[in-house]
Amino acid sequence: NAGVTQTPKFQVLKTGQSMTLQCAQDMNHNSMYWYRQDPGMGLRLIYYSASEGTTDKGEVPNGYNVSRLNKREFSLRLESAAPSQTSVYFCASRATGSPYEQYFGPGTRLTVT
Amino acid sequence: DAKTTQPPSMDCAEGRAANLPCNHSTISGNEYVYWYRQIHSQGPQYIIHGLKNNETNEMASLIITEDRKSSTLILPHATLRDTAVYYCIVRVSNTGNQFYFGTGTSLTVIP
Repeated sequence: NAGVTQTPKFQVLKTGQSMTLQCAQDMNHNSMYWYRQDPGMGLRLIYYSASEGTTDKGEVPNGYNVSRLNKREFSLRLESAAPSQTSVYFCASRATGSPYEQYFGPGTRLTVT
Repeated sequence: DAKTTQPPSMDCAEGRAANLPCNHSTISGNEYVYWYRQIHSQGPQYIIHGLKNNETNEMASLIITEDRKSSTLILPHATLRDTAVYYCIVRVSNTGNQFYFGTGTSLTVIP
């Protein structure tokens, strides 16, 4: 049982390049989330997926797209990376029973130059 | 979901109890108080949650005031490994999907 896994762990992009961050969970959770965390800041929700086949915007969705490929996988795509998207990206899934807590992945550290 | 207010930083001596406060004056009747912590650069980790009653688990205790407008997370015997950022979140438990983490309290446990 690996929990929530994310790839890659580190990535450097040039402005304008695109990339996809991958996330997978093996806990059979319905809901999955993507957050970003800037230095010295808390986490901000980018997108979430309440269940397979559905996605919704969070606080800061601009510049990102997501795909809920199946129940296990939820990917985050940057179509044209900008320096303002330099951040640590965390994926999470939420337990389906009480206390409905979130489980987080180890994060992807992205730098856009 | 109601927003929360936490002090930006706190220190605690190793072996002492760490008491981390959180204000949530606009909390609704069906909203729970959740606490998470984030140890340097890792993903946040769930600690405890509660609705009205005080709660205790193997990690911590949660004290919620009678009017539910504030709460305190207690780490009874802080260790150096408890140095982390602690987030207080208020939300409906099993519905809704927005989690607002805020900036949390940075707790430093001092040897």
